[in-house]
Amino acid sequence: DTAVSQTPKYLVTQMGNDKSIKCEQNLGHDTMYWYKQDSKKFLKIMFSYNNKELIINETVPNRFSPKSPDKAHLNLHINSLELGDSAVYFCASSEWGRDSGNTIYFGEGSWLTVV
Amino acid sequence: AQTVTQSQPEMSVQEAETVTLSCTYDTSESDYYLFWYKQPPSRQMILVIRQEAYKQQNATENRFSVNFQKAAKSFSLKISDSQLGDAAMYFCAYRSTGNQFYFGTGTSLTVIP
Repeated sequence: DTAVSQTPKYLVTQMGNDKSIKCEQNLGHDTMYWYKQDSKKFLKIMFSYNNKELIINETVPNRFSPKSPDKAHLNLHINSLELGDSAVYFCASSEWGRDSGNTIYFGEGSWLTVV
Repeated sequence: AQTVTQSQPEMSVQEAETVTLSCTYDTSESDYYLFWYKQPPSRQMILVIRQEAYKQQNATENRFSVNFQKAAKSFSLKISDSQLGDAAMYFCAYRSTGNQFYFGTGTSLTVIP
């Protein structure tokens, strides 16, 4: 059983399109995240949700809109894709404030290429 | 926000030798967690080792160990008996009391046969 799963794994799309990446975790965690990893492999936090509530919204263009229908899911929708959006997007989850190992678990990443 | 610094963009080690990857962090918190993650070319993020700040004893996981210096805010990773499969990008990470995780810029480790 995959703990954090995200789909699609690979996505190639044209500039200007709108796309979504879905994420689900079966770990029972209450906090979920989206990270972006660019070509230099810098890993940057984009959003953080706790029990479906937005906790962190880093400096991200408003073309990026996360949605958390429940605490096991956090989807990422991107409007009007640009070349600079090409990256690997990681979904992750952890447990808030409880000693469950306090570890963050990552999905396998979604490789987005904008052409 | 907390910052995590990895000053070694690239490191190399001979197979079977030992290598140490450096990490420093900046925080005003007293209770936090530190991690090392490994990212092979597949880009999967794999937990290597975890350290709780209130524990003075350095964490160890088989060939991986850390040197945690809380006063110096330093958290280095030592890999003993390096293997070809250890070649990867290594990220140091800090977990705040607010359950946010901050990552360093990574160190690319090459293992030379």
